[in-house]
Amino acid sequence: DIQMTQSPASLSASLGETVTIQCRASEDIYSGLAWYQQKPGKSPQLLIYGASSLQDGVPSRFSGSGSGTQYSLKISSMQTEDEGVYFCQQGLKYPLTFGSGTKLEIK
Amino acid sequence: QIQLVQSGPELKKPGESVKISCKASGYTFTNYGMYWVKQAPGQGLQYMGWINTETGKPTYADDFKGRFVFFLETSASTAYLQINNLKNEDMATYFCARGNWELPDYWGQGVMVTVSS
Repeated sequence: DIQMTQSPASLSASLGETVTIQCRASEDIYSGLAWYQQKPGKSPQLLIYGASSLQDGVPSRFSGSGSGTQYSLKISSMQTEDEGVYFCQQGLKYPLTFGSGTKLEIK
Repeated sequence: QIQLVQSGPELKKPGESVKISCKASGYTFTNYGMYWVKQAPGQGLQYMGWINTETGKPTYADDFKGRFVFFLETSASTAYLQINNLKNEDMATYFCARGNWELPDYWGQGVMVTVSS
């Protein structure tokens, strides 16, 4: 199975700050990577797919980049509503696998 | 708009069975597969498998072979997850998610299953 390693496990950011979350795959996943945001008691919401494509309705302050085994999610200006847990997910091979999550809080 | 609406929370005893539903609307049900994902309390997301909504064929991840069953009621645009012989470790929230190729793009609200004697 492809292992997804996310970092950091948690971070806090000030309003307006730029935030970056990293995800590393155990093998090349050829940009088959998605990012999700999950708020407490809610289901995950798709933010980014294909490593860098923004899902409809997602604010443009979210962006994704990367290739091969290394990927990142950037929030260009942290907002209060961006608090939550962020997961990466590889979609190259079954079984689909997820990163362990990054908890993002407002400082 | 695309919606996946799941059934309500469940409280079961060890050894019992539970059936969770996931009703889809806003798209053609048979054009997309349906994923199932487990989230244990305070934990991450674990892929359970998927069901081909055109053929009804289920595919289970290794950890979910045996007691877990995916099936459909296509006429009602509904997918089901049944868990038999419930164990304490099955206590979790279970999500259905529309499968857009290998991308779970829309998710149900989740069903919390509590297993307690």
